[in-house]
Amino acid sequence: EPEVTQTPSHQVTQMGQEVILRCVPISNHLYFYWYRQILGQKVEFLVSFYNNEISEKSEIFDDQFSVERPDGSNFTLKIRSTKLEDSAMYFCASSEAQTNTGELFFGEGSRLTVL
Amino acid sequence: SQQGEEDPQALSIQEGENATMNCSYKTSINNLQWYRQNSGRGLVHLILIRSNEREKHSGRLRVTLDTSKKSSSLLITASRAADTASYFCATAKSNYQLIWGAGTKLIIKP
Repeated sequence: EPEVTQTPSHQVTQMGQEVILRCVPISNHLYFYWYRQILGQKVEFLVSFYNNEISEKSEIFDDQFSVERPDGSNFTLKIRSTKLEDSAMYFCASSEAQTNTGELFFGEGSRLTVL
Repeated sequence: SQQGEEDPQALSIQEGENATMNCSYKTSINNLQWYRQNSGRGLVHLILIRSNEREKHSGRLRVTLDTSKKSSSLLITASRAADTASYFCATAKSNYQLIWGAGTKLIIKP
C-alpha cells in the first residue's frame, strides 16, 4: 500500500542551526502538507502546497520556514534558524483532493529536538 | 469548546467493551474526519463522514454526525488492546487546512 515516508525520524540540533525535513508523498497525490505536534499538544497546521506553490500557510509558518518540491517526488520543510520552541514532531501529509473533500495520508513524522 | 474538540480527554475500559468518543465543532463543515495516533507514531485516517450523512460504519467503527448539534461521535465496538491510541477528530477550516481537537486518549485494559 502506498505510504508517505519521512526522514529523518529523529533529528537533534543546536539552536540557530538550519534543519531540513524530508518527505516523499504518495506518488499520485496533488496536495502536500506539513503539520506539527508539540509533545502532548494539538496537531497544528503549518502549510499546504499545491501546483508547485504554497496554497495556504498558518501564522506559525513565518519567514524562518520554507517548503520546496525540488524534484517532483520529494517535499521538504526547511527551518532556517531553529529555536527551542521549534522542538516538535513534524508530520508530512498528502492527499488526492483538497482537505475539505478528502482524507489526508500522514507519514510517521520527524521528531525535531532543538537544544 | 473549540473547533474539533473531543471528549472525554481520556478513557480507560476493559477489553471487549465499547468505547465512545465525542467531538464538537463550531462552524459549518463539508465533512468531519477521525484519525488515530498510536503513541509516538503518525496519524492514521479512520473514517470520513460528510455533512449530508448521519452515520457511517467501517468494521468495528461507527461514526455519527449531528450537524444541528455540531457534534460527532466515534464508537469502537468490542475493543481490543490494539485499539489503545489517541483519537482525533478534524474538520476543514479551509480548502487546505484541517484543524484538530486535543484528542481522546483511549486505553484498553486486558
